[in-house]
Order: sequence, then structure tokens, then C-alpha cells
Amino acid sequence: NAGVTQTPKFRILKIGQSMTLQCTQDMNHNYMYWYRQDPGMGLKLIYYSVGAGITDKGEVPNGYNVSRSTTEDFPLRLELAAPSQTSVYFCASSYGPTGELFFGEGSRLTVL
Amino acid sequence: GENVEQHPSTLSVQEGDSAVIKCTYSDSASNYFPWYKQELGKRPQLIIDIRSNVGEKKDQRIAVTLNKTAKHFSLHITETQPEDSAVYFCAANRGGSQGNLIFGKGTKLSVKP
Repeated sequence: NAGVTQTPKFRILKIGQSMTLQCTQDMNHNYMYWYRQDPGMGLKLIYYSVGAGITDKGEVPNGYNVSRSTTEDFPLRLELAAPSQTSVYFCASSYGPTGELFFGEGSRLTVL
Repeated sequence: GENVEQHPSTLSVQEGDSAVIKCTYSDSASNYFPWYKQELGKRPQLIIDIRSNVGEKKDQRIAVTLNKTAKHFSLHITETQPEDSAVYFCAANRGGSQGNLIFGKGTKLSVKP
């Protein structure tokens, strides 16, 4: 049981490039989330999903897109990367809306 | 919009002392309040949570109290140890049972041996 797995762990992007952060969970959780963590700012919700085929915006969705074609996978797409998207990104999943969040190890993204 | 305020932002204590971290929330519909611990370079992990139908919950050296009237909740760590050093985040769910979490900005706890 691997839990939540996200890749890559580190990535450097140039301004204007695009990339996808991958996230997979093997706990059969319906709820999945993408957070970004900036120094001293806590965790901000980018997008979340309550089940396959359903996604919704969080607090800071601009510049990102998601899809949820299966229960296991929840990739995050960055289009036209900007320096403001330099951050650590965490994928997470939970059994229900008010249950423990299981986080992936994080992906450190730098946009230069 | 909904908000969670967390204080202090940094806290330094001697080993064996107690540590208290406080949070306030704005959404009166919030009914779930978890606390996460994040060690340096690691992922956040749940350490304790409380729901609005109880006022206090304990788990060994960790306790959380909730005052729904005042909209604040606190984390208490007793007999602190160096391995308690980490960043602690409080959170509250948005808009009731189906809402996702709003996190505080975190408290960096340092426990000096």
C-alpha cells in the first residue's frame, strides 16, 4: 500500500513552459486535492475532486487545470508557467470530506 | 471570505515545558478541526482532530480544545520533546460537512533540549 504517490519530486521550468504533476492513490479514496505551499503561508487549495469525473476550484485555481478520469489518478496541469507558481505542491486524498488527509511527498517546482 | 488565523507564528520552549497554539475561524458552519504536523522537508501528517460535538479531545501528550461560541480552538502539547519540533497547522472545514479545509499559516515550534 503506497498511499499517495506524486511525481516528479523536483522540476525547474522556464517561464511559459507547461507541465503536468502526476498524483496516484491506492486507498480507493473518492476525495482528492491539490495544495500549494508557499513559505509562511500554509496550504492553499488549488483544485479538488469528490469522485471520478468531478472536479472543482479551490482558493487559488488560476493558471492550473485538473482532470479526474479514474478514482486513482488526479493530475495537475500548469499552463504557461509563471514565477508566481514557484512553490511546493502537495497532492492529498481522503475517504470523506471531513476525514484525515493523506498527503504525497510533495513536488518542488521552480519557474525561472 | 472564510479564514483561519493561527498564533503564534513561532514558538520556542524548553524540553519538558508545555506548548499552546491557538486558532480562530470565521465560518460558523465549520464543524471539523484537524491539526497537522509537518517536519522539515516532509509531508503534513494528521496528529489530532476534533468535531464540533465535543469540547476537548486528548491523545497522550496532545490535546485539542474547541470553543464554538468564540470560534476558536487550541492545540496543547505537554512534556514537550525535541522530536516535537516541527511546523503545526490548524484547519477548519469550509461551509459545513461537505466543505474542504482552510489551513492556518502554521506555527514553527522549536523544543530546546
